[in-house]
Amino acid sequence: KQEVTQIPAALSVPEGENLVLNCSFTDSAIYNLQWFRQDPGKGLTSLLLIQSSQREQTSGRLNASLDKSSGRSTLYIAASQPGDSATYLCAVSLIKAAGNKLTFGGGTRVLVKP
Amino acid sequence: KAGVTQTPRYLIKTRGQQVTLSCSPISGHRSVSWYQQTPGQGLQFLFEYFSETQRNKGNFPGRFSGRQFSNSRSEMNVSTLELGDSALYLCASSRADSTEAFFGQGTRLTVV
Repeated sequence: KQEVTQIPAALSVPEGENLVLNCSFTDSAIYNLQWFRQDPGKGLTSLLLIQSSQREQTSGRLNASLDKSSGRSTLYIAASQPGDSATYLCAVSLIKAAGNKLTFGGGTRVLVKP
Repeated sequence: KAGVTQTPRYLIKTRGQQVTLSCSPISGHRSVSWYQQTPGQGLQFLFEYFSETQRNKGNFPGRFSGRQFSNSRSEMNVSTLELGDSALYLCASSRADSTEAFFGQGTRLTVV
């Protein structure tokens, strides 16, 4: 059974500092991994999707890496801003033939202090 | 391009009642998945529909059911509501050739 873990559960940093968020998964046979952002009481916003064949993916200040063999992904957010305060979730999907079923980590709640 | 739309946004129901939630996927997306989010259990997969057929199912009791229509819109039904069913219910849609999921804003269900 796939298990996804995000440590730490909460993180507080001063504005301008780089954020490093970790995600680990137990079954390396993933199809892809997605990072999401969730604001309080809202839905999930897709940030980055990394295919299992990729090592990293970048979008603006965000960079996500994937190491399937060790079961880890890291999301880097450069030069954090107060608007980056949110909960960040990672989710993995298994083989494409299994359809669209995501297994989520518990999330990391981030607070960027002005 | 419109995103995933979930209605209603908020619901308050009494124990024992039933409830139906609706999800309209992004135009052209044929896969719709449902998730339950609670503070204690996090995000848990309920089920997925593709071309009007249930393709995947999570570990939830039979009180939780769903369906998908020919226009890909999906509904989720919960019968005999329990206090523990209070949660944020999220729906996600995906293209037929992708597992990238796009989520709606959710329906907040409160059972009293």
